[in-house]
Amino acid sequence: DIVMTQSPDSLAVSLGERATINCKSSQSVLYSSNNKNYIAWFQQKPGQPPKLLIYWASTRESGVPDRFTGSGSGTDFTLTISSLQAEDVAVYYCQQYYSIPPYTFGQGTKLEIK
Amino acid sequence: EVQLLESGGTLVQPGGSLRLSCAASGFTFSSYAMSWVRQAPGKRLEWVSILSGSGGNTYYADSVKGRFTISRDNSKNTLYLQMNSLRAEDTAIYYCAKGYDPHDWVLSHFDYWGQGTLVTVSS
Repeated sequence: DIVMTQSPDSLAVSLGERATINCKSSQSVLYSSNNKNYIAWFQQKPGQPPKLLIYWASTRESGVPDRFTGSGSGTDFTLTISSLQAEDVAVYYCQQYYSIPPYTFGQGTKLEIK
Repeated sequence: EVQLLESGGTLVQPGGSLRLSCAASGFTFSSYAMSWVRQAPGKRLEWVSILSGSGGNTYYADSVKGRFTISRDNSKNTLYLQMNSLRAEDTAIYYCAKGYDPHDWVLSHFDYWGQGTLVTVSS
């Protein structure tokens, strides 16, 4: 199974500042045939289901604000929120869909306001 | 608008059985793979099972293999999860999730999730 490890486990950032969340996979999730990284990022607010933010590591889902950016390739990935807003307080998860079964998720990163 | 609505979660005793349902609307249900993903209290998301749009192909997580069965009724736009021999560690919110790509039932992210249904396994 591919193990997904996020860092940090929690993060406190001031409003308007940049937030950076890292995700590392235990093996490459890059398909050489199409040059796509099979990584998605989700946002989960308390009492709500996960919401898709980013797929193919860097493609923003329709309707997601452009302050959310995904980057990285191979085994190392980053979700960046360029200017933190109050509504961005949530737990963020990365997930690989390169090698299944099983699909695997990171342990989550809790993002709070400083 | 895509909507997924789970139901069937409740309190059940260890060793018991339960069937969850996920009613789908807003898309051509039979064209898309559907998954069940669960989240135990305070834990990370855990994928449980996936079923292709036709219903002919499935995968299960090792933790539920042989105990859970995923199925669908495309005429009713509904996904099911039959859960047998339930254990305390199966306690979780169970979400159904839609696959994104109608042409690749496996290598596709989840683009829509339901609100979830809570299953509690306890005596």
